[in-house]
Amino acid sequence: AQTVTQSQPEMSVQEAETVTLSCTYDTSENNYYLFWYKQPPSRQMILVIRQEAYKQQNATENRFSVNFQKAAKSFSLKISDSQLGDTAMYFCALTGANSKLTFGKGITLSVRP
Amino acid sequence: KAGVTQTPRYLIKTRGQQVTLSCSPISGHRSVSWYQQTPGQGLQFLFEYFSETQRNKGNFPGRFSGRQFSNSRSEMNVSTLELGDSALYLCASSVPSPHMNTEAFFGQGTRLTVV
Repeated sequence: AQTVTQSQPEMSVQEAETVTLSCTYDTSENNYYLFWYKQPPSRQMILVIRQEAYKQQNATENRFSVNFQKAAKSFSLKISDSQLGDTAMYFCALTGANSKLTFGKGITLSVRP
Repeated sequence: KAGVTQTPRYLIKTRGQQVTLSCSPISGHRSVSWYQQTPGQGLQFLFEYFSETQRNKGNFPGRFSGRQFSNSRSEMNVSTLELGDSALYLCASSVPSPHMNTEAFFGQGTRLTVV
């Protein structure tokens, strides 16, 4: 079975600062993908960033980057230069051969002006 | 390119009734998955359809069912509604690789309230 754990229920960050959201996972598969999704108050799930397990290089997308530690099964998201529009719930997710997404419980991020 | 469209956006039903939710995937996407989101249980996988066949199923009772049409549009049905079925139901579409879905695009969801 696959599991995803996000132990921090909520975080707050000052606008323009950097924040890191933590995620750990467990899977017995060798080939899998990890994702961070953002869910703003509109409830639309938006893909923030994706990491392929067999790639050692950490993925980056503009202000968003990940720290992927495969041996430790850790997948954290770093948001640089935080903006008010980053306020949302963030979910860490994992998919493997069965194609289903397994989500963590999510973390509520608030960006303070 | 149009995104994933879910209808209706909001629904209020009475216990014991049944409900059908619809999902139109992004053009060209043949895989459609459904998820239930509740404050207590978080996001849980219901099922996935690919080329009109159910490819994967989550741990939900048989009251939850779905289907996919030849144009890849999907419907999910919940019969004999219970109060605990109140949730946001999310649909996601993707272009699957031979072995897994590498990126899922979500609709805005259908908010179902059972009274």
